[in-house]
Amino acid sequence: EAQVTQNPRYLITVTGKKLTVTCSQNMNHEYMSWYRQDPGLGLRQIYYSMNVEVTDKGDVPEGYKVSRKEKRNFPLILESPSPNQTSLYFCASSFFGTANTGELFFGEGSRLTVL
Amino acid sequence: GQSLEQPSEVTAVEGAIVQINCTYQTSGFYGLSWYQQHDGGAPTFLSYNALDGLEETGRFSSFLSRSDSYGYLLLQELQMKDSASYFCAVTSGNTPLVFGKGTRLSVIA
Repeated sequence: EAQVTQNPRYLITVTGKKLTVTCSQNMNHEYMSWYRQDPGLGLRQIYYSMNVEVTDKGDVPEGYKVSRKEKRNFPLILESPSPNQTSLYFCASSFFGTANTGELFFGEGSRLTVL
Repeated sequence: GQSLEQPSEVTAVEGAIVQINCTYQTSGFYGLSWYQQHDGGAPTFLSYNALDGLEETGRFSSFLSRSDSYGYLLLQELQMKDSASYFCAVTSGNTPLVFGKGTRLSVIA
């Protein structure tokens, strides 16, 4: 089954404790991206990757890191989480950076709470 | 930069028709997408318009006017399960998709 898989789905952590949210896709997509969703603010892009070893900042990259060592995986790293990073996070992927189809495939989301 | 405007909330009656508008500002425009998101769920792709005109997929249709930087999503024969948030999103050049803030549609009996 074609899918984007994120883990963990739910996480409660404390300020400053490093965490990683994994994202994996099995559709051989070149493009992968991370979004955060907060009430009234829509989907805001954190980082994206057009291909292996190529990553770029989105609109809200502060406090986050990513890596793209393999095509299928795009982990999101919070080195020192803070309460303002409490949010719902989505990973998404597509072919060719959506330039032609406009379609992104989303993971189920990871709800993160930082105390 | 890029920006999109869509209404924050819309309410419509079951069985009726509703139109959700989206205006955008961007350079190097490629196309306009629409996504649906139910509470607690992930966004799912509904449609993509790269050319002017109306695209129909079942009860849902999407329209684009490139000259007006405007598009809309039309939902017909509304059902309770259509209650969700709807996002328009713009594809421009090689930049990633930029999403609007979403329109929350409430379908009432």
